[in-house]
Amino acid sequence: RLQLQESGPGLVRPSETLSLTCTVSGGSLSSSGYYWAWIRQRPGKGLEWIGTLYLSGSTYYNSSLKSRVTISMDTSDQHFSLTLNSVTAADTAVYYCARVEKGDANNYYFFYFYMDVWGTGTPVTVSS
Amino acid sequence: SSELTQEPAVSVALGQTVTITCQGDILRNYYASWYQQKPGQAPVLVIYGKNNRPSGIPDRFSGSISGNTASLTITEAQAEDEADYYCNSRDTSGYHLTFGGGTKVTVL
Repeated sequence: RLQLQESGPGLVRPSETLSLTCTVSGGSLSSSGYYWAWIRQRPGKGLEWIGTLYLSGSTYYNSSLKSRVTISMDTSDQHFSLTLNSVTAADTAVYYCARVEKGDANNYYFFYFYMDVWGTGTPVTVSS
Repeated sequence: SSELTQEPAVSVALGQTVTITCQGDILRNYYASWYQQKPGQAPVLVIYGKNNRPSGIPDRFSGSISGNTASLTITEAQAEDEADYYCNSRDTSGYHLTFGGGTKVTVL
């Protein structure tokens, strides 16, 4: 069964760069048809999509974070990564990685996405 | 608009049925998916597409969609269903995703 596990520093200084890794086990990061995403949840708040990566290297980012975020993958090492530059206290959150599946279109709806496997999350605090 | 709106909180008596909704123009074109999140835990997918449940999700969870509103229904709610529930969908940007604000379900 596919499992995802986030890892990275729990504390980052303001203005520095946050780097997190999501390690894939029990399956392959190279499996075609899947996308891979990062989501975060600020303390006491809801879920916020950060961005999605496809095997081809195509990336899609939340417009509010686009200027600061990069998502990349290393298929040989079975992990994908999140980099967030110039962090502030507002980036303090639990960060989750997830596998994204694509659902088929039909006569009434376009294709859609859903996140079927999630990591356990890793808390990150931005503080000096 | 790519926003998804959910009611902040609902309550349901043990064993009764509750429906929570997710409203947004994007739902006229794209299905929603629904996630259950219990305190201190990662979200879990409970419904996706027209009305699909992943393996291991009880059949008391069901989904539907009509117009600009997607709904998640919990039939005969159990104590363990008390959680936050989030809807999610594509937005009009294409491959971008957006979450609703979440609904806290309390089982009385």
